[in-house]
Amino acid sequence: GQNIDQPTEMTATEGAIVQINCTYQTSGFNGLFWYQQHAGEAPTFLSYNVLDGLEEKGRFSSFLSRSKGYSYLLLKELQMKDSASYLCAVLDSNYQLIWGAGTKLIIKP
Amino acid sequence: IAGITQAPTSQILAAGRRMTLRCTQDMRHNAMYWYRQDLGLGLRLIHYSNTAGTTGKGEVPDGYSVSRANTDDFPLTLASAVPSQTSVYFCASSDSIGPVHTQYFGPGTRLTVL
Repeated sequence: GQNIDQPTEMTATEGAIVQINCTYQTSGFNGLFWYQQHAGEAPTFLSYNVLDGLEEKGRFSSFLSRSKGYSYLLLKELQMKDSASYLCAVLDSNYQLIWGAGTKLIIKP
Repeated sequence: IAGITQAPTSQILAAGRRMTLRCTQDMRHNAMYWYRQDLGLGLRLIHYSNTAGTTGKGEVPDGYSVSRANTDDFPLTLASAVPSQTSVYFCASSDSIGPVHTQYFGPGTRLTVL
């Protein structure tokens, strides 16, 4: 079966760095997405990786290792507004998105 | 640019009633999707449509139907609502012509079935 694993909840301090991991086992791979979802709101697109390596976009970076079925989202200089859930999703061989359950990130002052 | 709109924002429904959730996008995306999101389970695909006139079943299609008469609209119908269909429903769309297939989401409909 297809499976995406990510931690349920993480806590970090304002101004610090946090890494949210995602491991996946899917039928085929056509890219990995990270979305941010604030409580009561819709998911919004953060990043897309299809090749191995690090993609940097401001304070957020996303890493992919296809051979290990592994990705992480790195958030630097954490701000209170970064408190949200972070969703990992893989585009499978049928171009359907398979979603993880999400990681709730709590930022403390 | 509106993006994707959904209606209603929230609804309380008696079990056994019929309900249609509306979804409209103005981005001319060819693909559209309906998801439900329940606490601890993540997003689960109900139905999808790769292009106007075609639809497909996702992971949890039972009790739901969809239609795609044109590019912009993708309504989701619950023929006879049951309490287990209490959830937050998100509509999404993507341009699936290119390789990336980034999905963009509507604001969601919070549905409670009593």
